[in-house]
Amino acid sequence: ETGVTQSPTHLIKTRGQQVTLRCSSQSGHNTVSWYQQALGQGPQFIFQYYREEENGRGNFPPRFSGLQFPNYSSELNVNALELDDSALYLCASSISGTVTGELFFGEGSRLTVL
Amino acid sequence: LAKTTQPISMDSYEGQEVNITCSHNNIATNDYITWYQQFPSQGPRFIIQGYKTKVTNEVASLFIPADRKSSTLSLPRVSLSDTAVYYCLSPVAGNQFYFGTGTSLTVIP
Repeated sequence: ETGVTQSPTHLIKTRGQQVTLRCSSQSGHNTVSWYQQALGQGPQFIFQYYREEENGRGNFPPRFSGLQFPNYSSELNVNALELDDSALYLCASSISGTVTGELFFGEGSRLTVL
Repeated sequence: LAKTTQPISMDSYEGQEVNITCSHNNIATNDYITWYQQFPSQGPRFIIQGYKTKVTNEVASLFIPADRKSSTLSLPRVSLSDTAVYYCLSPVAGNQFYFGTGTSLTVIP
């Protein structure tokens, strides 16, 4: 069984640039969630995708956007990067419709904005 | 939004039992209570989940009182490798979860 994989693991950008982060879901999982984790904080929910559509969104501006593909993999795009966007971005896959909704996380992509 | 409250940090000696309590006063009737563990620079990892009373697995036990307004994660005989941040999760909707700041557990030799 393949777990959740994210790429790249680390990247550095400058203010105003755009970034795309990628996530491959665990086999059999149809839902992908993205979280932002700043240093010393808990993960903050960005949004969730199910059947290639956004299925819920946290308190993040529109410059945070995403995609889910037919194979359930996903992308997180962030435009007009700001210094405060520096964080660990976590992808989690799950199976929609289950009572418990357990999340399986990847190792994250560490983004540094200079 | 059903938020959670838990202690910011705890210290424990190796071999001791550690109990971390979480308050979730606004938990919905159908919501499960879930705990995750996170090591530095890694994604959170599921530990245990329950709805009421007591649940036990190979890693931990989870105690949930009848009113379900709190839960206690119990780690038996902790070791140095249990040093991590532990999160009590509250579902926002379906399998969308709110993570608080978590409890940073330090196990001391």
